[in-house]
Amino acid sequence: GENVEQHPSTLSVQEGDSAVIKCTYSDSASNYFPWYKQELGKGPQLIIDIRSNVGEKKDQRIAVTLNKTAKHFSLHITETQPEDSAVYFCAASANTGGFKTIFGAGTRLFVKA
Amino acid sequence: NAGVTQTPKFQVLKTGQSMTLQCAQDMNHNSMYWYRQDPGMGLRLIYYSASEGTTDKGEVPNGYNVSRLNKREFSLRLESAAPSQTSVYFCASEVVGETQYFGPGTRLLVL
Repeated sequence: GENVEQHPSTLSVQEGDSAVIKCTYSDSASNYFPWYKQELGKGPQLIIDIRSNVGEKKDQRIAVTLNKTAKHFSLHITETQPEDSAVYFCAASANTGGFKTIFGAGTRLFVKA
Repeated sequence: NAGVTQTPKFQVLKTGQSMTLQCAQDMNHNSMYWYRQDPGMGLRLIYYSASEGTTDKGEVPNGYNVSRLNKREFSLRLESAAPSQTSVYFCASEVVGETQYFGPGTRLLVL
């Protein structure tokens, strides 16, 4: 079946460094790629998303890139801060009706002060 | 605009007891979902409802039932709770194929 692979499962960086999380999807019909941040004890929340007609999107310190040919998309966080420590999930979604959103397994990011 | 709300926030059950987890959204979304998240794990889909009046099984439906009461509400029922159902349960809603909005979660412990 369709799936989304996410790497790494755990990432530890020093405050101020950059962090990169990568995802690969299998469903070629996927056209919407959101990223969620889950803080301890809370539900996941959208932090940035990208659609298939765009190659890159940036919002302050976070950016997402998409390579549709290779079916890869990545989350980039620059100038990391301790409050960026959380679990990050990527997802791939196809707007074809019915359930077509598949989540990656998550990346636990630790930012060391 | 409260978004997605879930009740209860915490629950302790004994093996064999039943309970219903409630979820409501006020964003007029057609699709709603129930996930479970075990410690250190990702989200596993239990059931989903693409629209009012329809429900479908997800990845881990055994031991659960759902009801899409109306467009706003989607409940998850455990008929006979088992320790393996100890988990955090998240409800989410979305416009199909777009951003999912998650509730705060229900933490369930089955003894």
